[in-house]
Amino acid sequence: AQTVTQSQPEMSVQEAETVTLSCTYDTSENNYYLFWYKQPPSRQMILVIRQEAYKQQNATENRFSVNFQKAAKSFSLKISDSQLGDTAMYFCAFSLRGGSEKLVFGKGTKLTVNP
Amino acid sequence: DTAVSQTPKYLVTQMGNDKSIKCEQNLGHDTMYWYKQDSKKFLKIMFSYNNKELIINETVPNRFSPKSPDKAHLNLHINSLELGDSAVYFCASSPGKTYQETQYFGPGTRLLVL
Repeated sequence: AQTVTQSQPEMSVQEAETVTLSCTYDTSENNYYLFWYKQPPSRQMILVIRQEAYKQQNATENRFSVNFQKAAKSFSLKISDSQLGDTAMYFCAFSLRGGSEKLVFGKGTKLTVNP
Repeated sequence: DTAVSQTPKYLVTQMGNDKSIKCEQNLGHDTMYWYKQDSKKFLKIMFSYNNKELIINETVPNRFSPKSPDKAHLNLHINSLELGDSAVYFCASSPGKTYQETQYFGPGTRLLVL
C-alpha cells in the first residue's frame, strides 16, 4: 500500500518570499504520478502541479516548482514570490499509473501568507 | 461551463435519514470518484467507477451506495445517516486513460448530520 506523509501541519511566509512544503511517500511501484493540490477557504480542490515519476526533470508551473527526488521518495513544492492568494491547505497526493487509479493524499499543510 | 458539478453544496439532516448527493461532469471523462474529507481535512477515496462499472470500493459501510446511470454521472446515496458521516464529500473525474491520470474535483458537498 502507498502512503504519503506531509510533516509540516502549518507554515507561514511573508508576501513575496519563497516557501517550500515537504512531502515524502512510500511505494514499491516504479510507475506513478505525484500531485500537489491546493484547497483555499472556498473548499475547491485545485491542481497546482503534477510530476510523472519516469521524468527526471522537475515540473514547474509559473511560481510553483517541485523538487522530485525519486530515490529518496521525496516531492517538495516550492512557491516563489508568495502572494496572499496562495493562503490555503496544500495536499500532496500519489497515484499509480493506469488511468483510473485512486489518489492517496497526505494530511495537508496549512500555508498562511502574511502581508 | 462547470467541469465537475455537485448538488447540493450543503446538506443538513437528522440522524437516521436517507440522503443523496449528485455529481455530473461535462469533460467527457471515463472515470469518476467519490472522496470523503473528514473534520481534520484528511481526504480518502470511497469509490470509483469507470464507464459505469465499479472499480474501487474502499471499505466503506454498505449504507453508502454509489450509482452511475451513465459515465457522466455518479451519485452517492447514504442510508440511515450517522453523526460520523458528517464530512465534505468530493466528486472527481479523470480521463481514465494511462498517461492522463489527473483528477478534476467538484466543489464538494458539506454534509452535517444532527
